[in-house]
Amino acid sequence: LAKTTQPISMDSYEGQEVNITCSHNNIATNDYITWYQQFPSQGPRFIIQGYKTKVTNEVASLFIPADRKSSTLSLPRVSLSDTAVYYCLVGVNQAGTALIFGKGTTLSVSS
Amino acid sequence: EPEVTQTPSHQVTQMGQEVILRCVPISNHLYFYWYRQILGQKVEFLVSFYNNEISEKSEIFDDQFSVERPDGSNFTLKIRSTKLEDSAMYFCASSRDREAYEQYFGPGTRLTVT
Repeated sequence: LAKTTQPISMDSYEGQEVNITCSHNNIATNDYITWYQQFPSQGPRFIIQGYKTKVTNEVASLFIPADRKSSTLSLPRVSLSDTAVYYCLVGVNQAGTALIFGKGTTLSVSS
Repeated sequence: EPEVTQTPSHQVTQMGQEVILRCVPISNHLYFYWYRQILGQKVEFLVSFYNNEISEKSEIFDDQFSVERPDGSNFTLKIRSTKLEDSAMYFCASSRDREAYEQYFGPGTRLTVT
């Protein structure tokens, strides 16, 4: 399972674009990169998933360079309600049945 | 949008008592999971369940824990004899596919053991 490293915390203001970068140097060929969001006292919520290049949905964009050793979650024009913990997950566990969460990045958005 | 539901939202129990946490996964999902999160710590995998049997369990999921799908809609986690260190948020999740990248989590049950 690939080890991931992401910043412990980030601060932003409303309306700004936020980019959270995750490094995963030992990503395996068949690993996908997945990002989850967790609000306080709630369960994690799937945001986006990608394998390479760029993926965009209504919530965020995910940029993955050709070497796939890192990925960047981009949140356009954040609002106060985007304050949450963001987790970068690479692959699943060996049996393929579990998500392995790290400590994530706590994003604080202020006005 | 379909969602995973969990009951109760908060359960307080005394050490040594049995608790059952209940979950209703999304109806067309086939894979079910329990995770827990101790306050201020990471979300930790407990167990995965498919086709009425455990697919995988973590080291946390010892003999005090059991899971069951008693009917076509509910998925339960039982802790036989609770300990203080079992106090945590317990999240149920479900997924449509075996490759478990996109899981849908419930709102959680906060278990407090006194």
